[in-house]
Amino acid sequence: DTGVSQDPRHKITKRGQNVTFRCDPISEHNRLYWYRQTLGQGPEFLTYFQNEAQLEKSRLLSDRFSAERPKGSFSTLEIQRTEQGDSAMYLCASSLVRGGYTFGSGTRLTVV
Amino acid sequence: AQSVTQLDSQVPVFEEAPVELRCNYSSSVSVYLFWYVQYPNQGLQLLLKYLSGSTLVKGINGFEAEFNKSQTSFHLRKPSVHISDTAEYFCAVSEGANTPLVFGKGTRLSVIA
Repeated sequence: DTGVSQDPRHKITKRGQNVTFRCDPISEHNRLYWYRQTLGQGPEFLTYFQNEAQLEKSRLLSDRFSAERPKGSFSTLEIQRTEQGDSAMYLCASSLVRGGYTFGSGTRLTVV
Repeated sequence: AQSVTQLDSQVPVFEEAPVELRCNYSSSVSVYLFWYVQYPNQGLQLLLKYLSGSTLVKGINGFEAEFNKSQTSFHLRKPSVHISDTAEYFCAVSEGANTPLVFGKGTRLSVIA
């Protein structure tokens, strides 16, 4: 069990550029979640998958955000045309249907 | 809709003193409750969870929490803190054991030597 892995750990990008983050969950976990955490706030739910099916999306997930989990294993979160307000820590977590969450260390995005 | 209120944004406490971090929630359905700890530049680590059964829940690192349905609270306690407990603590609620979590804004615990 290597835990939940996120890549990259840090990303600095210019406003207007597209970015993509990757999350590798614990291998036997079939649920995968994305959260966003801004400075001084708790994490906010973005979306989650059960296997490859995206089950729920938060209203925070604007049209510029898209998430995929094509084979029910790793997931990607893409942000198009980044804005300064997108600067945050993006956290991934995974779980079994009746287990508990395990979080990754996050990807810190800075939009300049 | 569910929500979580962490009543204290910062709690300073001397080493070896007891501490209580307060959490109140609102929900129209049965809830599952969690406390997570976050160290700087790291993800969240589960301290403890309440899913059902005994209202007193024991977690890692000597922490415990008590679920109080009538007061809609889930306060976190530790009888004697260490410097290493300095971190951000988040209370969270969900409608199911693995449905999306709703987090509070966090409480920064600072342990003073």
